[in-house]
Amino acid sequence: DIQMTQSPSTLSASVGDRVTITCRASQSITNFLAWYQQKPGKAPKVLIYRASSLESGVPSRFSGSGSGTEFTLTISSLQPEDFATYYCHPYKSYPYSFGQGTKLEIK
Amino acid sequence: QVQLVQSGAEVKKPGASVKVSCKTSGYTFTGYYIHWVRQAPGQGLEWMGWINPNNDATKYVQKFQGRVTITRDTSVSTAYMELSSLRPDDTAVYYCAKTGRWAVYDSWGQGTLVTVSS
Repeated sequence: DIQMTQSPSTLSASVGDRVTITCRASQSITNFLAWYQQKPGKAPKVLIYRASSLESGVPSRFSGSGSGTEFTLTISSLQPEDFATYYCHPYKSYPYSFGQGTKLEIK
Repeated sequence: QVQLVQSGAEVKKPGASVKVSCKTSGYTFTGYYIHWVRQAPGQGLEWMGWINPNNDATKYVQKFQGRVTITRDTSVSTAYMELSSLRPDDTAVYYCAKTGRWAVYDSWGQGTLVTVSS
């Protein structure tokens, strides 16, 4: 089974900051990685698929990079609506899993 | 537009079963897999399994093998997730999600809270 280690678990930042979240896979998943954003009481929303492809309608301040076992999600300039929890999700093989989540908080 | 609408919250006693529905609209139901993901209170996301509505094939995570059954009814474009032998640690919000062209979840249901308590 593929284990994902996501860091940090909590991130405090200010509007306008550039932030990066990292996920490390226990084995290579090539580029089969997605990033989801979840706000309290809501279902997750996909931001990035195939490690670096931006889902339609997602603002360009979100970007993803990486391949193999190391992946990052970057938000170039935080907006108030970006404060949420983010999950990485490998989907190369079963059983699927998710990273533990990163809660992005307002500093 | 694509919509996945789930059934309402449930309260169950330990040992009981629950069946959550996920009614879809706005796309061809048999064209895309439906997955089920759950989230315990204050916790992260946990994948449970999927169904291919086209041929009724299913796959489950081993943790739930034998306790979870995912089915579908193509006549009403609805998928179902039934979890049996409920335990208090099954208390969670259960989501259905549709995979899109790139095999990621492009649409989700609103979630169904299942509470297991004596």
